[in-house]
Amino acid sequence: GQNIDQPTEMTATEGAIVQINCTYQTSGFNGLFWYQQHAGEAPTFLSYNVLDGLEEKGRFSSFLSRSKGYSYLLLKELQMKDSASYLCAVRRNYGQNFVFGPGTRLSVLP
Amino acid sequence: DTEVTQTPKHLVMGMTNKKSLKCEQHMGHRAMYWYKQKAKKPPELMFVYSYEKLSINESVPSRFSPECPNSSLLNLHLHALQPEDSALYLCASSQDTGAGEREQFFGPGTRLTVL
Repeated sequence: GQNIDQPTEMTATEGAIVQINCTYQTSGFNGLFWYQQHAGEAPTFLSYNVLDGLEEKGRFSSFLSRSKGYSYLLLKELQMKDSASYLCAVRRNYGQNFVFGPGTRLSVLP
Repeated sequence: DTEVTQTPKHLVMGMTNKKSLKCEQHMGHRAMYWYKQKAKKPPELMFVYSYEKLSINESVPSRFSPECPNSSLLNLHLHALQPEDSALYLCASSQDTGAGEREQFFGPGTRLTVL
């Protein structure tokens, strides 16, 4: 089976840094994706990790530790528009079988 | 063109109706997906098509019937739905179903209400 866990909600201040954690237990692992979803909109891709370590993309970075079943998304220089849900998704090792975590709703305050 | 389009945006149907959801992409992607998303919940994978063949069916009830007429189009035929099937139905596509950074591009979704 599979189980993915994320904090339900987080709040941070504009200009700050926030770390959103994702822990997973899954049979077969073939990569972890982070998506952003604004209310009422479709998810959009942020980052991808398949090997241990940190991947950086501008203000967003994502880290993976396969041995610990753990990932985090780091958002720097927060902006109001970063208020959204952040979903981690694990791809299982056959086809493109994705399982999404419950999502973390981030509120950025002025 | 990095867009996935879905029609209709909203759909209200009775439990005896037959309707279809449509999805289209022109990115040359060979994998297409249907997801169901309830309010404040993550998307749940329903079906995956790879090179126009159904490759994954996540034990979805037969009242949902997917169809992939060609590599750009994906349909979801609905029949005898239940009120609990009311949700946002998202279509997505990716380059293919291989390994590596195969990000999915999502459409805006069809918000379905079953009365």
